[in-house]
Amino acid sequence: QKEVEQDPGPLSVPEGAIVSLNCTYSNSAFQYFMWYRQYSRKGPELLMYTYSSGNKEDGRFTAQVDKSSKYISLFIRDSQPSDSATYLCALSWGKLQFGAGTQVVVTP
Amino acid sequence: EAQVTQNPRYLITVTGKKLTVTCSQNMNHEYMSWYRQDPGLGLRQIYYSMNVEVTDKGDVPEGYKVSRKEKRNFPLILESPSPNQTSLYFCASSLSSGTNEKLFFGSGTQLSVL
Repeated sequence: QKEVEQDPGPLSVPEGAIVSLNCTYSNSAFQYFMWYRQYSRKGPELLMYTYSSGNKEDGRFTAQVDKSSKYISLFIRDSQPSDSATYLCALSWGKLQFGAGTQVVVTP
Repeated sequence: EAQVTQNPRYLITVTGKKLTVTCSQNMNHEYMSWYRQDPGLGLRQIYYSMNVEVTDKGDVPEGYKVSRKEKRNFPLILESPSPNQTSLYFCASSLSSGTNEKLFFGSGTQLSVL
């Protein structure tokens, strides 16, 4: 069983919809939770970073962590075609583990 | 502009022919790392370096070598490439070695070993 599970998608949504992404994990030692965005033919770039359980907002993006359920989420409000990318969760406890990534396609 | 530069972007080679993928960062970062990205498996760490002359194995080091003679450079060496090393490779760096640090990635090297 992988330490971090992430549905690969693709997840296709119309422009303006809410995109909901999630990762589950098995190791309760994870303390830091990140989301990276990766455009086609580019390297990943850090999008969101959280430390504790709860929500963190940054513009149209909200990251949610539920440590009791070992579940993290990323929500994108008012999605745009420019949000089309692969989103990778990354969890850390002294060792960084990436999820496999979810491909998101936002259609105009 | 702060960046991690990898070369080449695309590489096709044959089994057994030694190759080097270069990586350079201009941010004076201490920590550098190599990952490979395969469908369904995500990013897996190959090797990492905490500082000059300090390197260590990641999760999938077999068949790879690295060196860190200068702070800015961290080349990845495949002494005898095999088809199972066909993958998308990323170099990354961060200010320090804390695993909660923001990683800066290069644009990737798509390697095909025939």
